[in-house]
This record gives sequence, C-alpha cells and structure tokens, in this order.
Amino acid sequence: KQEVTQIPAALSVPEGENLVLNCSFTDSAIYNLQWFRQDPGKGLTSLLLIQSSQREQTSGRLNASLDKSSGRSTLYIAASQPGDSATYLCAVSRSNYQLIWGAGTKLIIKP
Amino acid sequence: GAGVSQSPSNKVTEKGKDVELRCDPISGHTALYWYRQSLGQGLEFLIYFQGNSAPDKSGLPSDRFSAERTGGSVSTLTIQRTQQEDSAVYLCASSSWADTQYFGPGTRLTVL
Repeated sequence: KQEVTQIPAALSVPEGENLVLNCSFTDSAIYNLQWFRQDPGKGLTSLLLIQSSQREQTSGRLNASLDKSSGRSTLYIAASQPGDSATYLCAVSRSNYQLIWGAGTKLIIKP
Repeated sequence: GAGVSQSPSNKVTEKGKDVELRCDPISGHTALYWYRQSLGQGLEFLIYFQGNSAPDKSGLPSDRFSAERTGGSVSTLTIQRTQQEDSAVYLCASSSWADTQYFGPGTRLTVL
C-alpha cells in the first residue's frame, strides 16, 4: 500500500530564506508526483508535476526534484516571501488517476 | 478560461438527510475526480470518472455515497442518509488525459 509522508509538518522561517520541503513515498512504482499549495478556506493549486521519467521541474522560485528509486521528492523555495505562506501538499499517482496524498507541511514566512 | 467550479460552497444539513454536491469541470477535460478532506486529516480519494464512466469506485466510503457524470461534463456526488462523520470538505478536480489535476474551491459539508 502506497504511503506518502511529508516532513516537517510545520515550518516557520524569516522572509528571504531559501527552504526545502520533503516528501517520501513507500512504493516507487509511481506514474507522477505533484506538489500543491492550499490556502486556508480555498482549494488546491497545482505547483509542479514531475512525471516518473523526470528528475526535476522548475517554475519561478520553485524547484521540485524526484528520486524515484529512493522514494523521495523535495520542493525547494528560493527567496521566500510572506505570500508563500500556505500548506504544501505532495501527492503521488500510481496510474493516471487516484492521487495518494501526504498530510502536508504548513509553511509560515515571517515578514 | 474558467476553472473548476463547485456548488454549493457550504452546506449544512441534518443527520439522516440526503445531499447532492455538484462539480463543473474545466471545459474539455475528460477526467474528473472527487476527493474528501476531513478536519485534521489528509485528502482521501473517492471516485474517478473518465468520460461518463467510473472505472474506480473503490474510494467511496459506503453505499450511501454515489456519483454520476453526464455528458462528459457535470458531475454530482450524492450522499444519502448523511451521518456526522460525513462532515468534510469535498473537493472536485478535472484534468486532460494523464495531466495535472485542477481543483475546485470545494464544498464544505456540515452534518448536525
């Protein structure tokens, strides 16, 4: 059974710092891995999608890496801003549907 | 273009009543997904549609839950005889084939 774990559960850092969020999964037979952000009372916003054949994806200040063999992904946020404060969720797909989700990392960026 | 929309945004109902939640996916997206997020817990997959068919209903928590999709577009999730443990945010997402899932704002269901 696929299990997804995110560490840390919560993180608070000063504005401007670079930071890394971690995601691990138990079954390496994944189709893709996605990172989302969720703002309080709002839906989910897709940040990055990494196909199983890829090693990383970049979007602006965000970089996500994937090491399928070790069952790990990291989301790197450069030059953090208060607007980055949100809960970040990692999800893996074993096929082209059903996402298995981590519990999320609640990120607070202090001005 | 327009994103995924869900209605109602909030629903308060009494235990034992039936509720119907609606999802309008992004136009042209063939795949549609329902998830549930309970307070303090992670997201839980419920059901997936490819076109109007649901290849995988294994995530539905009980036979009180059902879903349908018509015309390859709008989907409704129906919960019969609601229980307090059904209280959660119900999220809908749509995608093109094997692509990023785009989520709606969710319906917050409270069962009193």
